[in-house]
Amino acid sequence: GIQVEQSPPDLILQEGANSTLRCNFSDSVNNLQWFHQNPWGQLINLFYIPSGTKQNGRLSATTVATERYSLLYISSSQTTDSGVYFCAVEPPGTYKYIFGTGTRLKVLA
Amino acid sequence: SAVISQKPSRDICQRGTSLTIQCQVDSQVTMMFWYRQQPGQSLTLIATANQGSEATYESGFVIDKFPISRPNLTFSTLTVSNMSPEDSSIYLCSVEYWAASGNTIYFGEGSWLTVV
Repeated sequence: GIQVEQSPPDLILQEGANSTLRCNFSDSVNNLQWFHQNPWGQLINLFYIPSGTKQNGRLSATTVATERYSLLYISSSQTTDSGVYFCAVEPPGTYKYIFGTGTRLKVLA
Repeated sequence: SAVISQKPSRDICQRGTSLTIQCQVDSQVTMMFWYRQQPGQSLTLIATANQGSEATYESGFVIDKFPISRPNLTFSTLTVSNMSPEDSSIYLCSVEYWAASGNTIYFGEGSWLTVV
């Protein structure tokens, strides 16, 4: 089955720093989404981004489907950005999402 | 958007017992998904639950261990049967909504189970 790898696995930032998280997938996908899991376990959808670029405030995401990767950019990081970031992909014809390995982010005040 | 409520939010269970997790959505959905997240790990799909048909289980998950009900378009239950400490996980239900701007997946708050 499809493999979804995220890097880096762990990241520590000072407040105000910028970061780039990467999601690589091993086969073509129909859809891709990014999620943030806060320290209390709640998963929040950040982006639906099968291709192209989207921005929402300090966050933006880019997916290059032909090269099988997606990037999540976090600018001017805040302590509330801490948590785990997951990408999830939908292989063609499956109607289900496979989650990546995750990036654990800690932002220090 | 969707509001998904899960019960229980947390529980401590004795090994060998079974626990049923409930998932209630505030609007009708065709498919509901159940995930497991073991400590420090990513999410793994257990099964897809469609109303009116048997759930479709992923490799490594079986109906005898994780029976699922889907009695209507807003509700589903997942039972974790004959629990062992390895079943200690967060169990999450989710739904997907389609919109012109794209699809969005919503998750419940999760049910944190500890098996002792």
